[in-house]
Amino acid sequence: QITLKESGPTLVKPTQTLKLTCAFSGFSLSTSGVGVGWIRQPPGKALEWLALIYWDDDKHSNPSLQTRLTITKDTSKNQVVLTMTNMDPVDTATYYCAHRLLRAGGDPFDYWGQGTLVTVSS
Amino acid sequence: QSALTQPASVSGSPGQSITISCTGTSSDVGAYNYVSWYQQHPGKAPKLIIHEVIIRPSGVSSRFSGSKSGNTASLTISGLQAEDEADYYCSSYTTSRTLVFGSGTKVTV
Repeated sequence: QITLKESGPTLVKPTQTLKLTCAFSGFSLSTSGVGVGWIRQPPGKALEWLALIYWDDDKHSNPSLQTRLTITKDTSKNQVVLTMTNMDPVDTATYYCAHRLLRAGGDPFDYWGQGTLVTVSS
Repeated sequence: QSALTQPASVSGSPGQSITISCTGTSSDVGAYNYVSWYQQHPGKAPKLIIHEVIIRPSGVSSRFSGSKSGNTASLTISGLQAEDEADYYCSSYTTSRTLVFGSGTKVTV
């Protein structure tokens, strides 16, 4: 059974760096085809794709946020970490991590974490 | 990259069919058959209901179906039920190897 869970600070100050961890079970990021992505959703607004990392360490991120985002994986710990620099109040959102559906084109996400709400405020 | 365009809201009566459109560009929706649809109930994580335009994951009702023409994809919900009331988001793979979500549609039954 695949599960994912996000963790990190619930409150960050403007200009600070956010570090979120996605701890998962039921799959390995060393298996061919596996990928884990991050998606966020501001309160009452739409989903926004942030980044995705694959089993072979290939990674892609939203071009609008690319300079602020870093995604890494720790295969031995079954974790994916997302770092976002220079946080601003507009970055207040629920942040989700999700598992990429295997053997599917276009990187759909079939399993999602419960999400973690991050508020940016001084 | 700009969000894909969806109608803000669609409504229908129980038993009816509704269609939600998702309009992009030749760099995303029109480029590949890699459009996904997600259903999200309030306070819950999104649920994948369609991928690769027309494929339903195991366990998803056959009342959900997808299609695409040019730069516009569509999700049809037939035999509308009260439990279908939720937000729906499309997503597309892009020629830059990124993903883009739609603006979201609130379905009211």
